[in-house]
Amino acid sequence: DSGVTQTPKHLITATGQRVTLRCSPRSGDLSVYWYQQSLDQGLQFLIQYYNGEERAKGNILERFSAQQFPDLHSELNLSSLELGDSALYFCASSGGGNEKLFFGSGTQLSVL
Amino acid sequence: AQTVTQSQPEMSVQEAETVTLSCTYDTSESDYYLFWYKQPPSRQMILVIRQEAYKQQNATENRFSVNFQKAAKSFSLKISDSQLGDAAMYFCAYRSFLTGTASKLTFGTGTRLQVTL
Repeated sequence: DSGVTQTPKHLITATGQRVTLRCSPRSGDLSVYWYQQSLDQGLQFLIQYYNGEERAKGNILERFSAQQFPDLHSELNLSSLELGDSALYFCASSGGGNEKLFFGSGTQLSVL
Repeated sequence: AQTVTQSQPEMSVQEAETVTLSCTYDTSESDYYLFWYKQPPSRQMILVIRQEAYKQQNATENRFSVNFQKAAKSFSLKISDSQLGDAAMYFCAYRSFLTGTASKLTFGTGTRLQVTL
């Protein structure tokens, strides 16, 4: 168990809908990272938050947004969903230094 | 921007044998971290081993070891005495040495390892 909790584990929805993925980092970790894993794109970095502030942005679509709350949990919001958004979405956390990233078990999103 | 390349989409090894997975990377930075992550069928991302670029000694974790060649920008993973539980997707990853904030992992495309009896 990595200590990073992601909910839900599975999500099935329809095109055009909006969903929210939730991540609770390991106790004490200030950084949260979101990754998308799909067959054609591989593991893509989406966005990073550090202690509530956005710190780095990767290949995140404008339809996607994220935030980190004062209790350090993070949410990834995906809107106007398309078939191509179907993927495994990982959250990872790390401390404020150069520690390794710990990954949650992911949320499998299926857009039908 | 940093890139990570894994040129072996699939590898196969017999149980108890040794296998080496290849990884090369491109960076202009002098200090960084390299990782190997394992993703079994459960799809959990599990850290296998980590190497700090400033350390000349190759990292070792039980049956897993790396061959880190900084000048060649090469970072291969050797799995000794392979076990059926080693069957998984293996990802090589790069992380800048930047402190704290904007230091994300950049992943390769992965190598699928099969372990046969």
